[in-house]
Amino acid sequence: AQSVAQPEDQVNVAEGNPLTVKCTYSVSGNPYLFWYVQYPNRGLQFLLKYITGDNLVKGSYGFEAEFNKSQTSFHLKKPSALVSDSALYFCAVRAPGGATNKLIFGTGTLLAVQP
Amino acid sequence: KAGVTQTPRYLIKTRGQQVTLSCSPISGHRSVSWYQQTPGQGLQFLFEYFSETQRNKGNFPGRFSGRQFSNSRSEMNVSTLELGDSALYLCASSLAGGDFETQYFGPGTRLLVL
Repeated sequence: AQSVAQPEDQVNVAEGNPLTVKCTYSVSGNPYLFWYVQYPNRGLQFLLKYITGDNLVKGSYGFEAEFNKSQTSFHLKKPSALVSDSALYFCAVRAPGGATNKLIFGTGTLLAVQP
Repeated sequence: KAGVTQTPRYLIKTRGQQVTLSCSPISGHRSVSWYQQTPGQGLQFLFEYFSETQRNKGNFPGRFSGRQFSNSRSEMNVSTLELGDSALYLCASSLAGGDFETQYFGPGTRLLVL
């Protein structure tokens, strides 16, 4: 069965410091991986995705993610955090193939960036 | 291009009532998926529609149903509401539901069941 784990409920980082939000996955075959961000009382906003190719994926708002097949991880990173990055971050996986568009989400990680 | 829109944004219902939520996908998108978000269960897949056909269904009781119209707009219905149905219901659309397509989410409908 497919699954996604976000081991940290909350990540605290000072503004200007690098941030990492962790995600590991379990899926048969090559995974399609996504990161979304959710601000209070809003829907999910797409940040980036990994389908194939370069293991370092660049996305919106200066975020990037590193795909590591051997560690089955897809950690979200940003070199310099902003207070406005404070939000809830979700990692999601979709197994390739099959007639379905279903995403499996992690439990979310609350990112708090202190000024 | 306009994003995914959902109506209404907020709803208050009482137990036993039924509710219908609406979702208009991004223009040209034919796949619409619905998710339920609660503090306890997180984000859970409800169902997906493509070309007016339900393509996949999550593990929810039959009280949860949906449909898609020829213009790709989708509705979901919850009958005999229970307190536990209180949640944020999110709709997402993509072009055709292909493997590597991005799903774009609407702002959600927040349902409170009293």
